[in-house]
Amino acid sequence: GAGVSQSPSNKVTEKGKDVELRCDPISGHTALYWYRQSLGQGLEFLIYFQGNSAPDKSGLPSDRFSAERTGGSVSTLTIQRTQQEDSAVYLCASSLSWRTGELFFGEGSRLTVL
Amino acid sequence: DQQVKQNSPSLSVQEGRISILNCDYTNSMFDYFLWYKKYPAEGPTFLISISSIKDKNEDGRFTVFLNKSAKHLSLHIVPSQPGDSAVYFCAASAGGTASKLTFGTGTRLQVTL
Repeated sequence: GAGVSQSPSNKVTEKGKDVELRCDPISGHTALYWYRQSLGQGLEFLIYFQGNSAPDKSGLPSDRFSAERTGGSVSTLTIQRTQQEDSAVYLCASSLSWRTGELFFGEGSRLTVL
Repeated sequence: DQQVKQNSPSLSVQEGRISILNCDYTNSMFDYFLWYKKYPAEGPTFLISISSIKDKNEDGRFTVFLNKSAKHLSLHIVPSQPGDSAVYFCAASAGGTASKLTFGTGTRLQVTL
């Protein structure tokens, strides 16, 4: 595709429900990243995938958060038993490799937990 | 613990003048610095980067300056244009890669006519 595609663009859920956010990176990009931006905050690193290497999960805030990347392309970020503090914009980015600083971001998925 | 700080939440500059956006960092392991621009309802877009082996990097109207001893970097936009109005994020990483960026909270630039 032309750019990084994320879905859904908006998600409203009730506290305690599970949500899945999807990211379709730019074709050929081997590195994929998830960040989130809470209100009034900078972007917070969550997880990073590079090729077939084990992902760097050091930014995941709790074990309710998990992510996978299937076939080296599409990624899904799953949040189990959502809490109100999970409300944020979840941004996915991809790049040609982990060495380059030019991350291409999607438009984000805005999650609201009621 | 805010390792990357952008102390000015907003900045207003007249069209044609210079915009200077500032960023401070505390982690001495950071050696790669980037600026991203973000329009409302869009993802951030990469602007310019600088490695710690340099103190200046220029790309068209955008120049980034790095002062390692002060742990400070700045982005200069000359001349400023109305289309530059956006939120600007400073980001940093260690190990010379972009694998795990630490972002500042952003500065909203408004370029007025």
